[in-house]
Amino acid sequence: QKEVEQDPGPLSVPEGAIVSLNCTYSNSAFQYFMWYRQYSRKGPELLMYTYSSGNKEDGRFTAQVDKSSKYISLFIRDSQPSDSATYLCAMILFSGGYNKLIFGAGTRLAVHP
Amino acid sequence: NAGVTQTPKFQVLKTGQSMTLQCAQDMNHNSMYWYRQDPGMGLRLIYYSASEGTTDKGEVPNGYNVSRLNKREFSLRLESAAPSQTSVYFCASSEGQHYSNQPQHFGDGTRLSIL
Repeated sequence: QKEVEQDPGPLSVPEGAIVSLNCTYSNSAFQYFMWYRQYSRKGPELLMYTYSSGNKEDGRFTAQVDKSSKYISLFIRDSQPSDSATYLCAMILFSGGYNKLIFGAGTRLAVHP
Repeated sequence: NAGVTQTPKFQVLKTGQSMTLQCAQDMNHNSMYWYRQDPGMGLRLIYYSASEGTTDKGEVPNGYNVSRLNKREFSLRLESAAPSQTSVYFCASSEGQHYSNQPQHFGDGTRLSIL
């Protein structure tokens, strides 16, 4: 079993829809949670970053963390064609001086006009 | 703002050939990383460097070597390329120590095909 599971999609939605992207994880020691956006033939870029359970909002994006369920989500409101990309969740575990960063495999999102 | 620059962007090699992937960052970051990205596998860490002069193995180091030439540059070398090393390679950098709570900044990748 992978430490971080993410549905690969693809997810296809109409412009203006609310998008929900999710990751589950198995190790309760993960402490920091991130979402990266990756456009085709580009490197990942950081979208959201949080370390506590609950919601964090930035414009049309909301990151949600539920540590008790080991589940994180990214919500995109009023989705736009420019949001079409692959979204990677990532999380950091701090363990006795050896830190570990694990990425999900990514969910491909297509927003059509 | 250049950020993290990787060269080359594309490369095709024959099995057994060697090559070096170059990476440079202009953000004065201490930590630098090399990842490979394969379909369905996510990003996997090959090697990292927490500071100039130090390097350590990541999750999938076999078949690779690295050099932290100075604070800006971190290169990845394939000594004898194998088809299993066909992948997209990303270099990243971050402030602070290895996997601190500082986010990573990525280059745009090198697409490597080995025949």
